[in-house]
Amino acid sequence: EVQLVDSGGGLVQPGGSLRLSCAASGFTFSDHQMNWVRQAPGEGLEWVSSISRSGDTMYYADSVKGRFSIFRDNAKNSLYLQMNSLRAEDTAVYYCAGSPWYAYWGQGTLVTVSS
Amino acid sequence: DVVMTQSPLSLPVTLGQPASISCRSSQSLVHSDGSTYLHWFQQRPGQSPRRLIYKVSNRDSGVPDRFSGSGSGTDFTLKISRVEAEDLGVYYCMQGTHWPPYTFGQGTKLEIK
Repeated sequence: EVQLVDSGGGLVQPGGSLRLSCAASGFTFSDHQMNWVRQAPGEGLEWVSSISRSGDTMYYADSVKGRFSIFRDNAKNSLYLQMNSLRAEDTAVYYCAGSPWYAYWGQGTLVTVSS
Repeated sequence: DVVMTQSPLSLPVTLGQPASISCRSSQSLVHSDGSTYLHWFQQRPGQSPRRLIYKVSNRDSGVPDRFSGSGSGTDFTLKISRVEAEDLGVYYCMQGTHWPPYTFGQGTKLEIK
């Protein structure tokens, strides 16, 4: 059974940092592009970032470019999102999602940016 | 960026009746490889999104056959032949042809009339 388990969320002050993790199992992790998608409270889905199978190519939404970094460890079947310079508007549930074509989703982890 | 526009944004339905959601893109979603990367997701209250349909019309494993997807180019539709109580939630279309960025529609909330 495919499973994605998101973790690492919490309350952080504006300007602070947080690292999210996503542990994958039940499929060949290294065969798939991986992604982060977020959902602000009461809002829709917003793509945040994607990373290639090997981890050598990364893509970011303009809203997070320069502040967030996506990376993966294929040996550990894990995906990460390093979030720096956090802002109030980054408050959201963050989901990792696995390709092909966002077939698999984690349960999400809540990030709250507030003083 | 490709803008995805869903309608309606709210869809009150009677159980057992059909429902239809439209999704339009600001440009054609036909990829140079010939495929159309338009997918549909369901998000039930308090749950993660779940993919229902991939590449316009392919139903995911375990998705009831009352769900169907159709369309081409810039115009796509998700249909539910007979709405059941478990279908309540928010539905999103998403394009994966012209990325980055991947873009989602605003979401359509399916609720009981």
